[in-house]
Amino acid sequence: EAQVTQNPRYLITVTGKKLTVTCSQNMNHEYMSWYRQDPGLGLRQIYYSMNVEVTDKGDVPEGYKVSRKEKRNFPLILESPSPNQTSLYFCASSSLGAGDNEQFFGPGTRLTVL
Amino acid sequence: LAKTTQPISMDSYEGQEVNITCSHNNIATNDYITWYQQFPSQGPRFIIQGYKTKVTNEVASLFIPADRKSSTLSLPRVSLSDTAVYYCLVGDYTGRRALTFGSGTRLQVQP
Repeated sequence: EAQVTQNPRYLITVTGKKLTVTCSQNMNHEYMSWYRQDPGLGLRQIYYSMNVEVTDKGDVPEGYKVSRKEKRNFPLILESPSPNQTSLYFCASSSLGAGDNEQFFGPGTRLTVL
Repeated sequence: LAKTTQPISMDSYEGQEVNITCSHNNIATNDYITWYQQFPSQGPRFIIQGYKTKVTNEVASLFIPADRKSSTLSLPRVSLSDTAVYYCLVGDYTGRRALTFGSGTRLQVQP
């Protein structure tokens, strides 16, 4: 089954404790992206990647890191989480190309930073 | 970045046609227009995508005028299960620029 998986689905942590949210896709997509969603603010892109070893900042990259060492994986790293990073996070992937870049979203990771 | 503007909310009744318009005045040549549907606590789900004129699939139609500065998602004969938030996304299909979702339109379908 074609899908994007994220782990963990729920996470409660404390300020400053490094964490990683994993994202994996099995569709051989070139493009992967991380979003955060907060009430009233819709989806905001954190980082995106066009291909292996190619990453770039989205609208809200501060406090986050990513890496793309393999095509299927795109982990999101919070080196020193803070309470304002409490949010719902979505990973997505897509092909690249005119008319063929539907994004497939993961189920989401609900993060609480105390 | 192509900023999008959508109505915050809309109400409808079962069986009616719903049209949600998105404004994107600074759309670029490489940008496609994509609409997503999102239910609470779930990831957005693709509905339809287009570049210009009209696109139709089994669940919706997308109307894009010649100047491409707006687009309209049309949902025929909505049901209660269409109650959701609908997002318009204007984005570069080459992946070279960041993507910016609008704040979405909350559609409430009443019986």
